[in-house]
Amino acid sequence: EDQVTQSPEALRLQEGESSSLNCSYTVSGLRGLFWYRQDPGKGPEFLFTLYSAGEEKEKERLKATLTKKESFLHITAPKPEDSATYLCAVQAGYSSASKIIFGSGTRLSIRP
Amino acid sequence: DTGVSQDPRHKITKRGQNVTFRCDPISEHNRLYWYRQTLGQGPEFLTYFQNEAQLEKSRLLSDRFSAERPKGSFSTLEIQRTEQGDSAMYLCASSSHDHRGRRSPLHFGNGTRLTVT
Repeated sequence: EDQVTQSPEALRLQEGESSSLNCSYTVSGLRGLFWYRQDPGKGPEFLFTLYSAGEEKEKERLKATLTKKESFLHITAPKPEDSATYLCAVQAGYSSASKIIFGSGTRLSIRP
Repeated sequence: DTGVSQDPRHKITKRGQNVTFRCDPISEHNRLYWYRQTLGQGPEFLTYFQNEAQLEKSRLLSDRFSAERPKGSFSTLEIQRTEQGDSAMYLCASSSHDHRGRRSPLHFGNGTRLTVT
């Protein structure tokens, strides 16, 4: 069964303290891995899509990487406004109707 | 703003009542999804439309739940005879065509928070 696991569940960092969030997946035929940011009371906001192992994407203080089994979201010198839940999702299978499966997220808190 | 719009933002209902939510996707997107999210969890897939056709439904979607997308535009999600376990955030998302076999990302609305008392 397709599965997405995120770790840690929660992470508290000091402002400026870099770290990484992990997303491990077991799927057949990965067609895309997605990272989202979600603020309390709002819907997930799209950050990145990664399609194949070795691919990397960057946006401001965030950098996403992908291997055949996992993805990392690296956050460099975070600021308090980076505090949010970060969700990883995968779409597998070769049908256009294949659903996108989400992990449970990592709650990131940045202290000033 | 041409993002995904959901209405209402909040709904409080008594157990046993019916509720209906509406989603207006991004206009050029042909795919529309409904997800449910409870506190501390990621979104769980409920159902998916391509244009007006409902192509997939999750086993989570009991026969009390029904979704429609008339004319391939907006969508409605109805829950009949609500139960306390239906309390959750209901999220709608839309996406465009895949390009060269690569999956397009979902773009989410801000959800409808349902509380069943």
